[in-house]
Amino acid sequence: GAGVSQTPSNKVTEKGKYVELRCDPISGHTALYWYRQSLGQGPEFLIYFQGTGAADDSGLPNDRFFAVRPEGSVSTLKIQRTERGDSAVYLCASSLSSSGGYNEQFFGPGTRLTVL
Amino acid sequence: GENVEQHPSTLSVQEGDSAVIKCTYSDSASNYFPWYKQELGKRPQLIIDIRSNVGEKKDQRIAVTLNKTAKHFSLHITETQPEDSAVYFCAASGVFGNEKLTFGTGTRLTIIP
Repeated sequence: GAGVSQTPSNKVTEKGKYVELRCDPISGHTALYWYRQSLGQGPEFLIYFQGTGAADDSGLPNDRFFAVRPEGSVSTLKIQRTERGDSAVYLCASSLSSSGGYNEQFFGPGTRLTVL
Repeated sequence: GENVEQHPSTLSVQEGDSAVIKCTYSDSASNYFPWYKQELGKRPQLIIDIRSNVGEKKDQRIAVTLNKTAKHFSLHITETQPEDSAVYFCAASGVFGNEKLTFGTGTRLTIIP
């Protein structure tokens, strides 16, 4: 079956602009995670959805970052007033419901965001 | 919050030899420890994971050991092959019902033919 997909694969924007990054999880996966990976670093947690609700947004760096998952499937990460420091690869992952225990997180290919 | 440290940052091994990567974690409540392999420009892929009720797990040439008392876990790759070259990340997760992962900083493994 299809894995996690993310669009766009690459996004170049100018400082101060608004961007949206999209994630399509594996069908039937109720848990969805966003991570950010800077060059030479491990992925860093941003936000976690269980169904439609954000169960944990403690990793969002500031109020310029926001994410939604209105129908419990596709999720959009939104970044306002982008800064050069936002440049990174944004990874999305999904897993089966977390309520039953620990489940493998399947990662998407990521969106490489470059803020000029 | 959880903090995961990973060593070494780079590792070169002759083909056929073994490779060992070590991680330590800070939160004693953590009880799930996956290892991901990431090839250049690709997504992280799970290669093995271990839960806290188990001390060791093996899958063909790959094994993971966990010492909960010392709060460290290790990845062992035996009979290394060129296709094992990649960046490996350890991670830890601790809250049942919210499996957000805290990752280490990665180990770049190079297998020398």
